[in-house]
Amino acid sequence: TQLLEQSPQFLSIQEGENLTVYCNSSSVFSSLQWYRQEPGEGPVLLVTVVTGGEVKKLKRLTFQFGDARKDSSLHITAAQPGDTGLYLCAFSPGSARQLTFGSGTQLTVLP
Amino acid sequence: DTAVSQTPKYLVTQMGNDKSIKCEQNLGHDTMYWYKQDSKKFLKIMFSYNNKELIINETVPNRFSPKSPDKAHLNLHINSLELGDSAVYFCASSRGGGAGANVLTFGAGSRLTVL
Repeated sequence: TQLLEQSPQFLSIQEGENLTVYCNSSSVFSSLQWYRQEPGEGPVLLVTVVTGGEVKKLKRLTFQFGDARKDSSLHITAAQPGDTGLYLCAFSPGSARQLTFGSGTQLTVLP
Repeated sequence: DTAVSQTPKYLVTQMGNDKSIKCEQNLGHDTMYWYKQDSKKFLKIMFSYNNKELIINETVPNRFSPKSPDKAHLNLHINSLELGDSAVYFCASSRGGGAGANVLTFGAGSRLTVL
């Protein structure tokens, strides 16, 4: 059983479209991180959300942390082919110095 | 300069062989990790070292043996390779404490194929 469920698992859209991907759990988190992994590379941190209801923007990417800190969403406006990649949410369980990752959303933006 | 570098990037070998993957970070981080990414892209922690000491050892077969000669290096040795070991192995590092302690910097991955 995944602690972090991401949806959709796969998403293929045309350049210019908007999209939202989700990261859900039944657990409450002190913070959540979002990473993007491009083909042949390791994941790279996009953002960390900490406060319930928090909204953070990174250019065309908007991240939201749920009020109850159990879920998060990533909205991309006017997607571009360069946004193609695997989007992963992650949390750090308790005091353990590690990250547990979600199941991932594979996004493909077609030109 | 690559922050977290791992070698080799690709490794193709026969079942039963022993192989190693090396990892080095030049970020001055105290904590290093090995993660395994399977064919479904799921990333799972294998080991974590803090200042050369093992702090996390998930349910991993004892054919996998990490070794940290100093806090900038964490190598992974795998004995008696099996088909199911085929995956991409990622090395990562993070600061030992304080703000950003759980923010990981990953290497580019080492794709292991066992035939």
